[in-house]
Amino acid sequence: AQSVTQPDIHITVSEGASLELRCNYSYGATPYLFWYVQSPGQGLQLLLKYFSGDTLVQGIKGFEAEFKRSQSSFNLRKPSVHWSDAAEYFCAVGPDGGTSYGKLTFGQGTILTVHP
Amino acid sequence: NAGVMQNPRHLVRRRGQEARLRCSPMKGHSHVYWYRQLPEEGLKFMVYLQKENIIDESGMPKERFSAEFPKEGPSILRIQQVVRGDSAAYFCASSLNYGGTDEQYFGPGTRLTVT
Repeated sequence: AQSVTQPDIHITVSEGASLELRCNYSYGATPYLFWYVQSPGQGLQLLLKYFSGDTLVQGIKGFEAEFKRSQSSFNLRKPSVHWSDAAEYFCAVGPDGGTSYGKLTFGQGTILTVHP
Repeated sequence: NAGVMQNPRHLVRRRGQEARLRCSPMKGHSHVYWYRQLPEEGLKFMVYLQKENIIDESGMPKERFSAEFPKEGPSILRIQQVVRGDSAAYFCASSLNYGGTDEQYFGPGTRLTVT
């Protein structure tokens, strides 16, 4: 079964600093990988996704992520964090295969706190 | 184009009561997914539906939980005889097409509290 691990439960950075959120996945085939952001009390918004091709993908709000097959990782990065980036970030992998083409498997999330 | 709508946003039920959560997908979307987020956990897949069909319910608890997506109207997630452990945020997502590459658009969630 596929799984996603986000090793960091909580990360604190200063505004303007660079950011990297880690994501490791376990999946038998070529995965479809996603990063979502969730602000308090809100639903999830898609930041970026990887299906194939260029392993460095650009997303919204200045985020990017790099797919590294050899490390089974899909880390999210941002060169300079803004206070408005404070939120919870989820890495997800899909599909599950078989008939479950829509199922996403999420990591447990990383809470980002931004200090002024 | 309105996004995915869920109601109610907050729902309080006493143990043993029924909870009905509604989800209206984005216009034109015929694929609906339900996820549950327990406190301090990530989202867990529950069920995937198309109009009038349950495609994958591998994440649904075997008892008390059911879901439907009728030809007309919203998708409904129904929890009978709720228990305290059902307290969670329930998110609905929809997509235009079938397949893992299609983006799932999430609603704001329904936060269920069982007292």
